Amino acid sequence: DTEVTQTPKHLVMGMTNKKSLKCEQHMGHRAMYWYKQKAKKPPELMFVYSYEKLSINESVPSRFSPECPNSSLLNLHLHALQPEDSALYLCASSQDGGGQADQPQHFGDGTRLSIL
Amino acid sequence: GENVEQHPSTLSVQEGDSAVIKCTYSDSASNYFPWYKQELGKGPQLIIDIRSNVGEKKDQRIAVTLNKTAKHFSLHITETQPEDSAVYFCAASIGGGSTLGRLYFGRGTQLTVWP
Repeated sequence: DTEVTQTPKHLVMGMTNKKSLKCEQHMGHRAMYWYKQKAKKPPELMFVYSYEKLSINESVPSRFSPECPNSSLLNLHLHALQPEDSALYLCASSQDGGGQADQPQHFGDGTRLSIL
Repeated sequence: GENVEQHPSTLSVQEGDSAVIKCTYSDSASNYFPWYKQELGKGPQLIIDIRSNVGEKKDQRIAVTLNKTAKHFSLHITETQPEDSAVYFCAASIGGGSTLGRLYFGRGTQLTVWP
């Protein structure tokens, strides 16, 4: 079992809906990440939080809004998504939030999102 | 930025044979190289990693080698089993500053192990 827990596992929503994805880790990690993964492709970085502050936004459209309420939780708020946003959304965490390269990132099993 | 190339894109082996997946990277500043295994319906699972001050690392049937001069690293799986079937991703990371240890992934290798 993964130590990064994501809910829900599956989500189907219409283009006008508002929903949120949740991620939780209890490893004491100080960096948390959101990735988007399309079928048969590697994960693409969306956001990085370091010590609960947004550090990297990879030019993600504003219909995706991340939030880090505390060091263990990470949310991704979704609004007015497009069909091309259908994908697997992965959360990851790593121990150090200070930019050290050699801190392993641990992934959750993702939320499979389908936009109707 | 960093560019990671991964080959082959698909690999089929007989159970018990060895499998080798190769990756190259472009930025000599990269200093951390993890390998992930992703099974269907799951997230990527870290299976082994290597740091730039080490040339080889082994964990049971899995080994990784790193050649900094040539800027390539490889994953070796011996005595393959059907449960090794999955997509494998290599990655490279450059630490510090604005990169915040971000991972640059290869395109993935679909490994199939036939019984």
